[in-house]
Amino acid sequence: SYVLTQPPSVSVAPGKTARITCGGNNIGSKSVHWYQQKPGQAPVLVIYYDSDRPSGIPERFSGSNSGNTATLTISRVEAGDEADYYCQVWDSSSDLSRVVFGGGTKLTVL
Amino acid sequence: QVQLQESGPGLVKPSQTLSLTCTVSGGSISSGSYYWSWIRQPAGKGLEWIGRIYTSGSTNYNPSLKSRVTISVDTSKNQFSLKLSSVTAADTAVYYCARGVGDGYNNYFDYWGQGTLVTVSS
Repeated sequence: SYVLTQPPSVSVAPGKTARITCGGNNIGSKSVHWYQQKPGQAPVLVIYYDSDRPSGIPERFSGSNSGNTATLTISRVEAGDEADYYCQVWDSSSDLSRVVFGGGTKLTVL
Repeated sequence: QVQLQESGPGLVKPSQTLSLTCTVSGGSISSGSYYWSWIRQPAGKGLEWIGRIYTSGSTNYNPSLKSRVTISVDTSKNQFSLKLSSVTAADTAVYYCARGVGDGYNNYFDYWGQGTLVTVSS
């Protein structure tokens, strides 16, 4: 089955740039979506189709996807960006297609 | 603005069937090309997709849960439901319903319910 690998944690100082990676076999051939989840809340979509932003999501959030790694980039990080972030793809590599989430990355703003 | 709301028992006994309903408001569940999914999250852990249903009634399930899962839709009530049979403590989690949008195999989730905690315990 398809596996998405994220670093458990990323730390960044306010105003700096955070990069959260999502690794998977030839993930560049898939569409990657990203969610932000704050404690006690439901996930919120922040990036879809690799690099598109939903309305209401700041331009500071961007995404890229190539080869075996997709990346969520948060520029000019703010304290309010502290949250867990999950990547997601659809794995249709076998007859048993399914949605796959990465294990999640906790972003800490120092 | 579309809203989703989960409802159902918060406590289920081992070996019994977990049943949850998601009520959709702010739009018809049968309009548009949307897939309606269930996703769960054990405490302190990541997200796990359970399955989805299209308004036509076609379904896709996570292979790891497929033998125990049934998802159905009631368009007259603007609801879709989850049944998970033979539950164990490992099924204790916050359960979310969510709207999937996009191509059939490139779905992403743009609206989520607030989540409901289901505990499996005797």
